Amino acid sequence: EVQLAESGGGLVQPGGSLRLSCAASGFTFSTYWMFWVRQAPGKGLVWVSHINSDGSNTNYADSVKGRFTISRDNAKNTLFLQMNSLRAEDTAVYYCARDRRFNGQDWGQGTLVTVSS
Amino acid sequence: EIVLTQSPGTLSLSPGERATLSCRASQSVSNNYLAWHQQRPGQAPRLLIYGASNRATGIPDRFSGSGSGTDFTLTISRLEPEDFAVYYCLQHGSSPWTFGQGTKLEIK
Repeated sequence: EVQLAESGGGLVQPGGSLRLSCAASGFTFSTYWMFWVRQAPGKGLVWVSHINSDGSNTNYADSVKGRFTISRDNAKNTLFLQMNSLRAEDTAVYYCARDRRFNGQDWGQGTLVTVSS
Repeated sequence: EIVLTQSPGTLSLSPGERATLSCRASQSVSNNYLAWHQQRPGQAPRLLIYGASNRATGIPDRFSGSGSGTDFTLTISRLEPEDFAVYYCLQHGSSPWTFGQGTKLEIK
């Protein structure tokens, strides 16, 4: 069974940093692209970032470019999102997900990030 | 960037009725890389349909998807109580990936 378990969320002050992790199991992690999506309270889903299977290619939404960094450790089956210079508008539930290309996406349960003083 | 517009924003129906949800893209979606996801309150999204018309594993056959190019439809043939949720379309054929704003399916 595919499992994606996010961790690392919490309360952080504006301008602060946070590192999210996503532990993957139930599939060969190193062969799949992975991505992060976020959902602000009461709002819709927004794609944040993407990483290819070996970590050599990444992509970011304009709203987080230069502040967030996606990475992965294929030896530990873990996806990361390093978030710096956090703003109030970054407050959201962050989901990690597996990209099965044409065959769709699988989701984790999400972790809440709150940026507030 | 491809903009996805979902309609209606809210759909009020009764259990047993048929639901038709629309997703219109501002440009053609590459290779029909169009998925539909369901999100129940307090839960993570769940994949329903991929490739515009293929049901994901374990999804009941009352859910069906159709369309190509710029116009896509999700149909729920006979609504069950657990189907009342928010539905999002997602295009993942062109970067950046984009979601529609969602259609809330509520009990009438």
